[in-house]
Amino acid sequence: EAGVTQFPSHSVIEKGQTVTLRCDPISGHDNLYWYRRVMGKEIKFLLHFVKESKQDESGMPNNRFLAERTGGTYSTLKVQPAELEDSGVYFCAITGALNSPLHFGNGTRLTVT
Amino acid sequence: GENVEQHPSTLSVQEGDSAVIKCTYSDSASNYFPWYKQELGKGPQLIIDIRSNVGEKKDQRIAVTLNKTAKHFSLHITETQPEDSAVYFCAEVKGGKLIFGQGTELSVKP
Repeated sequence: EAGVTQFPSHSVIEKGQTVTLRCDPISGHDNLYWYRRVMGKEIKFLLHFVKESKQDESGMPNNRFLAERTGGTYSTLKVQPAELEDSGVYFCAITGALNSPLHFGNGTRLTVT
Repeated sequence: GENVEQHPSTLSVQEGDSAVIKCTYSDSASNYFPWYKQELGKGPQLIIDIRSNVGEKKDQRIAVTLNKTAKHFSLHITETQPEDSAVYFCAEVKGGKLIFGQGTELSVKP
């Protein structure tokens, strides 16, 4: 998806380590979302930024997850310390307005061993 | 709850046949229902969406129908091709965020 760049594309870390995922959206999109898909299950909401503010973080699994969006531009999602159940594909998505289509990045596949 | 039920979880069809994927939502106030296609190694991409003021929408070989009374909506793909093989997700918008179904892995055999 040309509008949203995520990196790394893959990350393999050991349990207890720290990983930071990054999302770079094209400019002009106030709404930025993080989602996660665990193997074979639905894509689950993690949190929603409006510009630099957290609008809704009700989907964040626990306090090992920390998301930031500096200056309302790029966003990072840090997992510290990582656990086995954190493995999955993490997607970032943007939209200009609520109830409008979301545009997803290609995701970061995280494997915790 | 916050679930969107999606069926089937896997679907295998012969090239040229039709494929139908069904979803059921819970919130009668929901008014926007997108469908996403996810190919291997890529993020979900919007393929079609429908708003609650219409019952059907079509775009070439893809159509979506909505039954608000029953809270069902369905994706119909006609004349399937091998490149239609992917995971398809339905979703509803609730509380400003997308709630996804569990996904359907569609396989189109040549």
